[in-house]
Amino acid sequence: GQQVMQIPQYQHVQEGEDFTTYCNSSTTLSNIQWYKQRPGGHPVFLIQLVKSGEVKKQKRLTFQFGEAKKNSSLHITATQTTDVGTYFCAGPLFTFNKFYFGSGTKLNVKP
Amino acid sequence: EPEVTQTPSHQVTQMGQEVILRCVPISNHLYFYWYRQILGQKVEFLVSFYNNEISEKSEIFDDQFSVERPDGSNFTLKIRSTKLEDSAMYFCASSEVGTTSSYNEQFFGPGTRLTVL
Repeated sequence: GQQVMQIPQYQHVQEGEDFTTYCNSSTTLSNIQWYKQRPGGHPVFLIQLVKSGEVKKQKRLTFQFGEAKKNSSLHITATQTTDVGTYFCAGPLFTFNKFYFGSGTKLNVKP
Repeated sequence: EPEVTQTPSHQVTQMGQEVILRCVPISNHLYFYWYRQILGQKVEFLVSFYNNEISEKSEIFDDQFSVERPDGSNFTLKIRSTKLEDSAMYFCASSEVGTTSSYNEQFFGPGTRLTVL
């Protein structure tokens, strides 16, 4: 079945260090989204990437969609304690409206 | 800012009992979803709903589950005979457009924590 894996599962960084999480799908995705879930909270949409090779930036966050549309990455520059949470990639197969979340990367930032 | 609301925030039930989880999606949204998240694990898709019918459902969404939009605002998830393994956080979400559209931002509600004893 469809698998969307993320690595690493956990990442502990010192405030100010960079952080990257990688997302890999077993099949091609029509688009990919990234969500952030704070501890005890609900997923919050960050961004959607649609085109092969697309790169988008939001302040300290850089998102990339792979050429084959099977992988993606999220890079945070100079982490802050407010970045703490679990980051999930998610996307539909070409099947309409069936949506898979990745396994998530839990980020902890030490002040 | 419009938001998705869910009730109750926490539901405790006995195994074998029926539960109904309620959601009020954002008013101009057309697509509705239910997800579940077992503690510490990933978010799992259950079902999507559009135009008053199920669009897609996952393998998890078996005959014990059903969804309904009983009126113009509520969207419910019913579990007919709860099992211990149904204990999880259930999130409702809504979006203006479908997941394969070029901009599908899903707005999640705060969730209902279901505990089956």
